[in-house]
Amino acid sequence: DSGVTQTPKHLITATGQRVTLRCSPRSGDLSVYWYQQSLDQGLQFLIQYYNGEERAKGNILERFSAQQFPDLHSELNLSSLELGDSALYFCASSVAVGFKNIQYFGAGTRLSVL
Amino acid sequence: SQQGEEDPQALSIQEGENATMNCSYKTSINNLQWYRQNSGRGLVHLILIRSNEREKHSGRLRVTLDTSKKSSSLLITASRAADTASYFCATVDPNFGNEKLTFGTGTRLTIIP
Repeated sequence: DSGVTQTPKHLITATGQRVTLRCSPRSGDLSVYWYQQSLDQGLQFLIQYYNGEERAKGNILERFSAQQFPDLHSELNLSSLELGDSALYFCASSVAVGFKNIQYFGAGTRLSVL
Repeated sequence: SQQGEEDPQALSIQEGENATMNCSYKTSINNLQWYRQNSGRGLVHLILIRSNEREKHSGRLRVTLDTSKKSSSLLITASRAADTASYFCATVDPNFGNEKLTFGTGTRLTIIP
């Protein structure tokens, strides 16, 4: 158990809908990262938050947004969903001290857009 | 886009044999890490090697790093069925801060009992 909790584990929805994925980081970790894993794109970094502030942005679509709350949990919001958004979405957390950035991953949310 | 390319994409070996996976990357790095992913599960950190290190060991794992060739290898010795998983290298690009990891394409390793 990594200590990172993601909910829900599975999500099935229709095109055009909006969903929210939730992540609770390991106790004490200030950084939260979101990744998307699909068969054709591999593991793609989406966005990072550090202590409530956006820290780094990757290949995140404008239809997607995220935030980190004062209790450090994070949510990834996906809107106007398309079939191609079907993927595994992972959250990871780290202490992010210096350059020894070891990330601890949650079990993921499997999103199926029908 | 992927920073690293892993080779081979898939590898099947007999239990007890050694498995070697290679990773190539494109930019300068602060460190390189290897992660394991069991089917459909989250990634688990295995080992980190800094850019000024050439070799590192952890149990049955041995990682090498050649920054001149921008490549790394992961050796798993005396493989076990439980080693069946996908293995990813990940790099920290100092140009994007020290926290952003960029993952390679992964090697799917199958250990045949």
